Amino acid sequence: GAGVSQTPSNKVTEKGKYVELRCDPISGHTALYWYRQSLGQGPEFLIYFQGTGAADDSGLPNDRFFAVRPEGSVSTLKIQRTERGDSAVYLCASSQGGLAQDTQYFGPGTRLTVL
Amino acid sequence: AQTVTQSQPEMSVQEAETVTLSCTYDTSENNYYLFWYKQPPSRQMILVIRQEAYKQQNATENRFSVNFQKAAKSFSLKISDSQLGDTAMYFCAFMNRDDKIIFGKGTRLHILP
Repeated sequence: GAGVSQTPSNKVTEKGKYVELRCDPISGHTALYWYRQSLGQGPEFLIYFQGTGAADDSGLPNDRFFAVRPEGSVSTLKIQRTERGDSAVYLCASSQGGLAQDTQYFGPGTRLTVL
Repeated sequence: AQTVTQSQPEMSVQEAETVTLSCTYDTSENNYYLFWYKQPPSRQMILVIRQEAYKQQNATENRFSVNFQKAAKSFSLKISDSQLGDTAMYFCAFMNRDDKIIFGKGTRLHILP
């Protein structure tokens, strides 16, 4: 595809609800990353996929957060029992091979608001 | 742990002027990558410039250049002939072997007409 796309662009939910955020990486990119950007902050790493497997999930804040990438392309970030503190912009990025020298290309993000 | 510090929360300059954004970082690694990303109101993070730590020569991309001082762990961004379209948040970022990018808190840059 032309770039990384994310859906929805904005999501408003109520505290305690379950949400899914979707990321479509650039076609052919094997590495996919999720970041969270809170208001006034830089993005913070959540999880990194190489193909279908999570190579590093050390940034997930707790077990309410989970991400999958079943076919090695599209990824879904899942948040259970949402809390107001989960409100942020969730950014997805992909890179060609996942090597340190490969550029990460970012999507426009999903703004999640938990009321 | 690696950290990235941007000491200028906000800056304003006149169009066509030159502006320098500061960044320092802390790491015990010897091989790593440094980046400047631009984030306009559209939220999309756009790579402006990157620098490999093993390269002594400062990276340059058109009007954008960096001053990389490895010993001082400093990585500043210079924007020459600034344009209205340069108005955005600018994030300094660091990455080592494990591909996890660590971002600073950002500098909000306003280019004034």
